[in-house]
Amino acid sequence: EAGVTQFPSHSVIEKGQTVTLRCDPISGHDNLYWYRRVMGKEIKFLLHFVKESKQDESGMPNNRFLAERTGGTYSTLKVQPAELEDSGVYFCASSQDQVVHGYTFGSGTRLTVV
Amino acid sequence: AQSVTQLDSQVPVFEEAPVELRCNYSSSVSVYLFWYVQYPNQGLQLLLKYLSGSTLVKGINGFEAEFNKSQTSFHLRKPSVHISDTAEYFCAVSRETSGSRLTFGEGTQLTVNP
Repeated sequence: EAGVTQFPSHSVIEKGQTVTLRCDPISGHDNLYWYRRVMGKEIKFLLHFVKESKQDESGMPNNRFLAERTGGTYSTLKVQPAELEDSGVYFCASSQDQVVHGYTFGSGTRLTVV
Repeated sequence: AQSVTQLDSQVPVFEEAPVELRCNYSSSVSVYLFWYVQYPNQGLQLLLKYLSGSTLVKGINGFEAEFNKSQTSFHLRKPSVHISDTAEYFCAVSRETSGSRLTFGEGTQLTVNP
């Protein structure tokens, strides 16, 4: 089966610009998660979708971040306007049953805001 | 809430030596435990997980981990490492609830030298 796909793999934008990250989960996985790792710190949870609904968005840093999951398939994470502290690696993961199969991660998008 | 502490940020070892990467966690509820590995320029890959049962868990690439409930630890071990094991290793926990998110430690960079 195809894995979790994220694009772009890298993005360099200027402060104040807008960037949209995309994640295509494994087909049939209802659960989709976004995580972020900033500058060698721990990987932190951002939000969790179950199908197209936001189950938990407690990790979203502020209202400059907007996540959507169209029709319960792929998801986008938009940062508008980007700030320097938004730089980091954004990971997407999907899961159908974490007990049986665990979580499958994408390769991440490295975002650099200059 | 859960938290994870990886006690060593960097572990340098020589090829064919044994290695232990330490992980302690804190949680007020029962959790599942995971170790993930990130090779350079790749996504996170599941090494092994502890759900229940035997406290010694075997994973891929010759790694194993032991769950110690009294010590709240989940240390990762390999008896003989290879150059190809050079990567960053992440310990993580999730609540025993379907779809629960992962809480990660800060990661341990394992560098295997010839």
